[in-house]
Amino acid sequence: GAVVSQHPSWVICKSGTSVKIECRSLDFQATTMFWYRQFPKQSLMLMATSNEGSKATYEQGVEKDKFLINHASLTLSTLTVTSAHPEDSSFYICRVFPGGRSRPSSYEQYFGPGTRLTVT
Amino acid sequence: AQKITQTQPGMFVQEKEAVTLDCTYDTSDQSYGLFWYKQPSSGEMIFLIYQGSYDEQNATEGRYSLNFQKARKSANLVISASQLGDSAMYFCAMREGTSYGKLTFGQGTILTVHP
Repeated sequence: GAVVSQHPSWVICKSGTSVKIECRSLDFQATTMFWYRQFPKQSLMLMATSNEGSKATYEQGVEKDKFLINHASLTLSTLTVTSAHPEDSSFYICRVFPGGRSRPSSYEQYFGPGTRLTVT
Repeated sequence: AQKITQTQPGMFVQEKEAVTLDCTYDTSDQSYGLFWYKQPSSGEMIFLIYQGSYDEQNATEGRYSLNFQKARKSANLVISASQLGDSAMYFCAMREGTSYGKLTFGQGTILTVHP
């Protein structure tokens, strides 16, 4: 079954409104969650890294006031796109990382199914 | 400089044939991991195969194998006996030793399998 869920899977909103995307780790506690955005036929670009109970670390060029990330618990991180505009239309994917010591490859496969955001 | 480079925007292969998707990387870390993912049109990211920098043997997972050439800093994905369901976008990614859990992705290669 799914290890990571994202909600909603797709959303259409009007320009100027805010949209919240949830990423839930279903099978384990995720000390770290990563948020990516992806434009059609392009690569995944890391937006920010969130650690439970602390402020997110944003990548260069990502507006922290526009893309609010909250990692309030070990199983939930949220990405809020504030005052969305058409250029924010994209596919947003989260990845959860449980941390700790284990087989190195086993922790790199836990992606959410993605959220397709369309801003009109 | 790009840390992960995939130079093939698109590749075509005949069903049942083998195909190689190229990936080169750049890192000064001694410890790193290389990954390949498949992304079908649905958007989900499917983990395919992993190669650690200290692994002496090339990784294999079913029809997928990773041709790891450390000196050349390349980690090509080989898909044997292609199937129509293999048509998707493929990403190479790297986790560097100093970036706990953080992955850097290549540009991706769109693979189309023809019947």
